[in-house]
Amino acid sequence: AQSVTQLDSHVSVSEGTPVLLRCNYSSSYSPSLFWYVQHPNKGLQLLLKYTSAATLVKGINGFEAEFKKSETSFHLTKPSAHMSDAAEYFCVVSDLRNSWGKLQFGAGTQVVVTP
Amino acid sequence: NAGVMQNPRHLVRRRGQEARLRCSPMKGHSHVYWYRQLPEEGLKFMVYLQKENIIDESGMPKERFSAEFPKEGPSILRIQQVVRGDSAAYFCASSPGQGGADTQYFGPGTRLTVL
Repeated sequence: AQSVTQLDSHVSVSEGTPVLLRCNYSSSYSPSLFWYVQHPNKGLQLLLKYTSAATLVKGINGFEAEFKKSETSFHLTKPSAHMSDAAEYFCVVSDLRNSWGKLQFGAGTQVVVTP
Repeated sequence: NAGVMQNPRHLVRRRGQEARLRCSPMKGHSHVYWYRQLPEEGLKFMVYLQKENIIDESGMPKERFSAEFPKEGPSILRIQQVVRGDSAAYFCASSPGQGGADTQYFGPGTRLTVL
């Protein structure tokens, strides 16, 4: 079975400082991993995805994530937060071996950016 | 290329009424997924459809909920005899192929309120 745990439900950062959103996953096979962002009352937008290529994945808006198999982690980072980064972020895992690729969502991390 | 479209964006129903939610996938996509997001929670998978076929409905409640994706027209998620607990945001996603191998692109969601 696959699962994903987002270690922080809320993160508050100052504008211009680094952002770190932590995600651990559980999968019985080599998973695909995604980060999605959801702005208030909007749909989900894909930030980046990992599919067994390079372990450091670069996404949109300056975000990147590193796949660490030994730690079963896929943390999302950004060197310098912007006010527009205030949103909810979801870490998502997909395991093709045990299913058709059903997405399993974490509970989400709410990011607040202060001036 | 228009993205995934959902309508209505907001839907208000009284207990016992029916709710019909529509989803038009991105052009060229033949796979549709429905998710439900309860307040303060991540998205939960409901059903996966291809044209005229339900592939996986393991996340659908056993009663009152049904989904279809006809040969022509949008995918429909139907909720009969709605109850207050059905109040949630319902998101549709589409992909050109199987979920895990392909990125799922999400629509803006339909926010259902049951009075």
